[in-house]
Amino acid sequence: TQLLEQSPQFLSIQEGENLTVYCNSSSVFSSLQWYRQEPGEGPVLLVTVVTGGEVKKLKRLTFQFGDARKDSSLHITAAQPGDTGLYLCISGGYQKVTFGTGTKLQVIP
Amino acid sequence: NAGVTQTPKFRILKIGQSMTLQCTQDMNHNYMYWYRQDPGMGLKLIYYSVGAGITDKGEVPNGYNVSRSTTEDFPLRLELAAPSQTSVYFCASSSGALGTNEKLFFGSGTQLSVL
Repeated sequence: TQLLEQSPQFLSIQEGENLTVYCNSSSVFSSLQWYRQEPGEGPVLLVTVVTGGEVKKLKRLTFQFGDARKDSSLHITAAQPGDTGLYLCISGGYQKVTFGTGTKLQVIP
Repeated sequence: NAGVTQTPKFRILKIGQSMTLQCTQDMNHNYMYWYRQDPGMGLKLIYYSVGAGITDKGEVPNGYNVSRSTTEDFPLRLELAAPSQTSVYFCASSSGALGTNEKLFFGSGTQLSVL
């Protein structure tokens, strides 16, 4: 079973700070997705990365896929209170989906 | 757009009671999933299905059962509720295996407490 370890598990920062969240596996990802979950809601897709070394940007969010496709990172620049939530990386593939352990982010105004 | 609909939103059970969590999707997705999320944690896969009549166990299937008689519906059954099953349950669907063009669509969750 592929395990996805996310770090840090919890993060509380002031508005305007930068942060990076990591997602690591001992196995190669076929593809990787990042989701954000706000309190009381289901997770919502942010981005999908497929190619090793790929970098995608979504406004203040930058997603990077490791060259070996075993790790990924999410960097947020100038965090806003609206970024507060649980960030999940998800590895997909045939038949089964594996979730990362999650990073709970709190951005304090 | 309905998407993935879960009912009920909240439920309190006594130990030993049974119940069914309903999940329906109107997107004609083949893949459906049930997850549980314990407080402050990520999601753990309970069961999944890749099409009508096909189901398989996930990471934490003990104490649960599922069926998939139609493409639209994927109910989750708890036969003998235990306090360890207190959690938030999410149903999700996708049209295929995750990749560049696929994503998971989630329901809004069912908060279950077993007392």
